[in-house]
Amino acid sequence: ETGVTQTPRHLVMGMTNKKSLKCEQHLGHNAMYWYKQSAKKPLELMFVYSLEERVENNSVPSRFSPECPNSSHLFLHLHTLQPEDSALYLCASSDNRDHSGNTIYFGEGSWLTVV
Amino acid sequence: GQSLEQPSEVTAVEGAIVQINCTYQTSGFYGLSWYQQHDGGAPTFLSYNALDGLEETGRFSSFLSRSDSYGYLLLQELQMKDSASYFCAVKGSASKIIFGSGTRLSIRP
Repeated sequence: ETGVTQTPRHLVMGMTNKKSLKCEQHLGHNAMYWYKQSAKKPLELMFVYSLEERVENNSVPSRFSPECPNSSHLFLHLHTLQPEDSALYLCASSDNRDHSGNTIYFGEGSWLTVV
Repeated sequence: GQSLEQPSEVTAVEGAIVQINCTYQTSGFYGLSWYQQHDGGAPTFLSYNALDGLEETGRFSSFLSRSDSYGYLLLQELQMKDSASYFCAVKGSASKIIFGSGTRLSIRP
């Protein structure tokens, strides 16, 4: 248990579906992240929210839409995805007030399969 | 661009010592950290270096040379449970952490 909870753990969706991934952190952190992990590729930073404001958007296609309603919750809305979007989507959080390190805490991830 | 390079695979023997290297090229640098990820699990934090030198945490140590844009993770007294993927990561700004592609460590009895 890392203090970061993601749901669902597994999701299969068609290319015309709309679905959402949810993330909740119980650590009192002020920053939240979405990463994409595909086989044999680096963890790809998708979005960063700091104090509920999006501060990073790494050229992610518009079919991925993040939402951060408060500092504890983060969503990733999915719409008209492609099969190559199938991957493990990891949510993470950190405390940017902690200047002694850059520890981020990951959730267990949501395995997404697009068919 | 920003990139981190680390070997894709390393094999070692139980009880031995292994070093996983990481070189980085980033526009900003706050520190180098290492994460461990077992198959099917989430990455978990191992260590962090903001300044040059060696940081030791039990069987694991991490080293940083900022002038060389280089660091390594040293694992001693290897155990079978250390078989996992290891990622180096650079904090390039207050809110941006970039990861390497990971090194898969396999340990033989």
